Amino acid sequence: AQSVTQLDSHVSVSEGTPVLLRCNYSSSYSPSLFWYVQHPNKGLQLLLKYTSAATLVKGINGFEAEFKKSETSFHLTKPSAHMSDAAEYFCVVSDRNSNYQLIWGAGTKLIIKP
Amino acid sequence: EAQVTQNPRYLITVTGKKLTVTCSQNMNHEYMSWYRQDPGLGLRQIYYSMNVEVTDKGDVPEGYKVSRKEKRNFPLILESPSPNQTSLYFCASSRGGSWSTDTQYFGPGTRLTVL
Repeated sequence: AQSVTQLDSHVSVSEGTPVLLRCNYSSSYSPSLFWYVQHPNKGLQLLLKYTSAATLVKGINGFEAEFKKSETSFHLTKPSAHMSDAAEYFCVVSDRNSNYQLIWGAGTKLIIKP
Repeated sequence: EAQVTQNPRYLITVTGKKLTVTCSQNMNHEYMSWYRQDPGLGLRQIYYSMNVEVTDKGDVPEGYKVSRKEKRNFPLILESPSPNQTSLYFCASSRGGSWSTDTQYFGPGTRLTVL
């Protein structure tokens, strides 16, 4: 069965330092992978998605993620954190095995220290 | 403005009292979906609809009903709510077609408390 594991429930970084949010997935077929962001008391917004094109995907607000099939990973990165990045981030996978339904990770809360 | 709206945003009710949470989108999207979000569990899909009069169960459909009589609306019905349905609910829509890769657009959420 498909699954998504976000390896950290909380990540804390200082403003201006790099961000790394880790995501591993299991999928038998070529997956589609997404990162969504949820700001406090707000809905969810797509950050970026991988759908079998370039393995390095650029998203909004300076975020990017790299699809690594050999490592079954899709980690989210940003070179320099900003206070406005404080939010919860969800890694999501979809493939034929899940009948193309979205399988959500448990989320990683990103905390930005001034 | 393209958007998904949900009402109400907040609701406190009692066990067994039927309620409906409305969802509407103005983007002419074919695919709509309901999720619930609980701490540490991410989002879990309740029901989805691929078009008018076409609905199917997601991962956690027990205790919920939906209908899709018009393309823009996808209400979530709790016939007899119970405390374990206390949660944050999100409605989402996407264009359809290749909905595995389509971007989903989410409503602002409905926080439901069942006493």
